[in-house]
Amino acid sequence: IAGITQAPTSQILAAGRRMTLRCTQDMRHNAMYWYRQDLGLGLRLIHYSNTAGTTGKGEVPDGYSVSRANTDDFPLTLASAVPSQTSVYFCASSEARATEQFFGPGTRLTVL
Amino acid sequence: AQRVTQPEKLLSVFKGAPVELKCNYSYSGSPELFWYVQYSRQRLQLLLRHISRESIKGFTADLNKGETSFHLKKPFAQEEDSAMYYCALSSGGYNKLIFGAGTRLAVHP
Repeated sequence: IAGITQAPTSQILAAGRRMTLRCTQDMRHNAMYWYRQDLGLGLRLIHYSNTAGTTGKGEVPDGYSVSRANTDDFPLTLASAVPSQTSVYFCASSEARATEQFFGPGTRLTVL
Repeated sequence: AQRVTQPEKLLSVFKGAPVELKCNYSYSGSPELFWYVQYSRQRLQLLLRHISRESIKGFTADLNKGETSFHLKKPFAQEEDSAMYYCALSSGGYNKLIFGAGTRLAVHP
């Protein structure tokens, strides 16, 4: 059992390019989340999904979009990357409200 | 506004010394609080949740609603406790978490 996987592990991207970060979980969790981790700011929620077919905006959604076509996958897309989106991105999942969130290994993204 | 504050970016102690990582929160409802830990080259993982009132790896955390705090404590720090610690608040809805900025704990031999 892999838990949560993320791809790629790291990426350097030119500003203006489109990029999709992949996240897959095999725990059949209903809820999934995308966070960005920045030094001095901790983790901030970008988007979330309570269940397949639904998504919602987090604290810092601008410049990002997500989709949840099925239970397992929750890709995060940067339509036109900007340098301020340089960060480490974590995907997470959970079963239900107020239970443990399980995190992926992260994707380190650098936008030049 | 819902907020989690961890005032210390870095806490440096010697092995065997007591540790207290501070966490204060601002929340209008009944809070649900967590401590997550990220060891070097490992994933972020749950350490404690206030509902469980448990001790994990010697760490405890008590929710103090009067002081709006959820400080993490351990009486005798070990070198393997060195890590990044995040306090988090469950913000209603479906388990959306608000994280503090994190405190790096460094335990020296």
